[in-house]
Amino acid sequence: TQLLEQSPQFLSIQEGENLTVYCNSSSVFSSLQWYRQEPGEGPVLLVTVVTGGEVKKLKRLTFQFGDARKDSSLHITAAQPGDTGLYLCAGARPNNDMRFGAGTRLTVKP
Amino acid sequence: DSGVTQTPKHLITATGQRVTLRCSPRSGDLSVYWYQQSLDQGLQFLIQYYNGEERAKGNILERFSAQQFPDLHSELNLSSLELGDSALYFCASSFEARGTYEQYFGPGTRLTVT
Repeated sequence: TQLLEQSPQFLSIQEGENLTVYCNSSSVFSSLQWYRQEPGEGPVLLVTVVTGGEVKKLKRLTFQFGDARKDSSLHITAAQPGDTGLYLCAGARPNNDMRFGAGTRLTVKP
Repeated sequence: DSGVTQTPKHLITATGQRVTLRCSPRSGDLSVYWYQQSLDQGLQFLIQYYNGEERAKGNILERFSAQQFPDLHSELNLSSLELGDSALYFCASSFEARGTYEQYFGPGTRLTVT
């Protein structure tokens, strides 16, 4: 059982559509990161959220940390083929333990 | 470029053999993490070192070991290799000063056991 559950596992959409992916847990995290990984490469850090309720925007990407710091969401507006990849969330627990979710594999078709 | 380097990029070896993977963290980062990623398992945390000492252990097999040296580079040793050990092995580093534990990943080592 994953400490962090990501949903959906797979998502295939058309260019221009909006989407939201989720990262949920029953544990509280001191911080949560989102990463994007392309095939054969290492994950690349997109954002870190620290405060419950925090919202961060990165161009067309909006990240939200739940009020209780147990969950997070990533919303992409007007998706583009370049957004295709594996989106991973990772949580840091108060004991310094880092855990990754299994990821959401996003495909954006032109 | 994350600033984390890993060598070698590719490694092909036979079952029963032993290999060593090397990682150099970003300048100034004290923590090094090792992960295994296979198609059916996702990104699995193996072990973390902080300033030369083991800090956290994940799903690391007894056949695997790691260490972090005084210059902060780290090595992951895999022995008695099995076909199932074929995977991408990533190293990541972090500074941790702000308690956010943002990790920066290297390009990975692709291990193929035949």
